[in-house]
Amino acid sequence: EPEVTQTPSHQVTQMGQEVILRCVPISNHLYFYWYRQILGQKVEFLVSFYNNEISEKSEIFDDQFSVERPDGSNFTLKIRSTKLEDSAMYFCASMRLAGVYEQYFGPGTRLTVT
Amino acid sequence: AQSVSQHNHHVILSEAASLELGCNYSYGGTVNLFWYVQYPGQHLQLLLKYFSGDPLVKGIKGFEAEFIKSKFSFNLRKPSVQWSDTAEYFCAVNANYNQGGKLIFGQGTELSVKP
Repeated sequence: EPEVTQTPSHQVTQMGQEVILRCVPISNHLYFYWYRQILGQKVEFLVSFYNNEISEKSEIFDDQFSVERPDGSNFTLKIRSTKLEDSAMYFCASMRLAGVYEQYFGPGTRLTVT
Repeated sequence: AQSVSQHNHHVILSEAASLELGCNYSYGGTVNLFWYVQYPGQHLQLLLKYFSGDPLVKGIKGFEAEFIKSKFSFNLRKPSVQWSDTAEYFCAVNANYNQGGKLIFGQGTELSVKP
């Protein structure tokens, strides 16, 4: 069964550094998402992406964050200058079509900012 | 704003006990409802979903959920749990008008099943 994959599984970075989290969504899916979960807290929506543009973003998704689909398969989340509070598990998800479909989640990337 | 509340943070049951996990949402419009499960070390997987029609939906592994519109609830049930059901369970909602849109998650319920 096709799966969403994410790399790396764990990323450690120093405050102020840039990180890129990578996702490969399921190949025939058209909607892409990033969520994050800070330890002990809810899974929170960050951004959705459709037709090569952001369709919705949360208040968390400020100018430090960006997303890109550089080719036909990858979907990336970049954090330009990481802060301690960016430490979280970041989940990528994809969905085939809008309507009666569900989002499929990747295994997550644990980002630790020191 | 939409929100989702799960009543129990941690539930401990013995095998063969019945399970009910509560989920309430806050949103005035039509919603799609989901339960996801995260087994230890694995990614979020869909257990079941409700879009329309019969408010009692059946999912994988013997789970079911009932949508009660008047109570804004979507509780998850299983008549007899197994040790392998130990996992974290998340209720989620998205607004029906924006079906490509974000999921709003509850805080999750950790289920521990004792053999």
